[in-house]
Amino acid sequence: AQSVTQPDARVTVSEGASLQLRCKYSYFGTPYLFWYVQYPRQGLQLLLKYYPGDPVVQGVNGFEAEFSKSNSSFHLRKASVHWSDWAVYFCAVSIPSGGNYKPTFGKGTSLVVHP
Amino acid sequence: NAGVIQTPRHKVTGKGQEATLWCEPISGHSAVFWYRQTIVQGLEFLTYFRNQAPIDDSGMPKERFSAQMPNQSHSTLKIQSTQPQDSAVYLCASSLAGEDTQYFGPGTRLLVL
Repeated sequence: AQSVTQPDARVTVSEGASLQLRCKYSYFGTPYLFWYVQYPRQGLQLLLKYYPGDPVVQGVNGFEAEFSKSNSSFHLRKASVHWSDWAVYFCAVSIPSGGNYKPTFGKGTSLVVHP
Repeated sequence: NAGVIQTPRHKVTGKGQEATLWCEPISGHSAVFWYRQTIVQGLEFLTYFRNQAPIDDSGMPKERFSAQMPNQSHSTLKIQSTQPQDSAVYLCASSLAGEDTQYFGPGTRLLVL
């Protein structure tokens, strides 16, 4: 079964600084990978997704993520953080089977942005 | 496209009462998921339907919780004899297929007094 680890429960950055949120997955093949963002009192929204292909995926609001099969990772990056990025970020993995497999979510990383 | 609709947005019940939460998935989506979110436990998977059939209910507490999807346009999560520990935000999501991108509703915030 697949699994996801987000090792950092909380990350604090200054506005304008660069950002990396870490995600490690466990699956012997090449999975589908997702990053979702949750703003206060809202549901989760998709930031970006990876289907097998180009390892660097561009998302909304300047976010990108890079898939690494050798490291089993899918880290999220942003060159310059804005205060509006203050939210909780979830990494998820699913198996591209065309069947009934559901995505598995990590526990989330809370991003705090200081002015 | 109105997105995933969840009603009510807020619900307050007394201990021992029943709570029914509603979810209307995006039209054309075949998969519907229910999650529970708390500060302590984070995001917990509860159950999953595909084409209205229950596929995986491994996250559902065995007592008091039940979920149904009687037609393509809505699903319900029912909690009988609610307890204070059931207080949480219950999120519903839908997707085109089980393993695909999930679209989340805004959630129902349940408070059991």
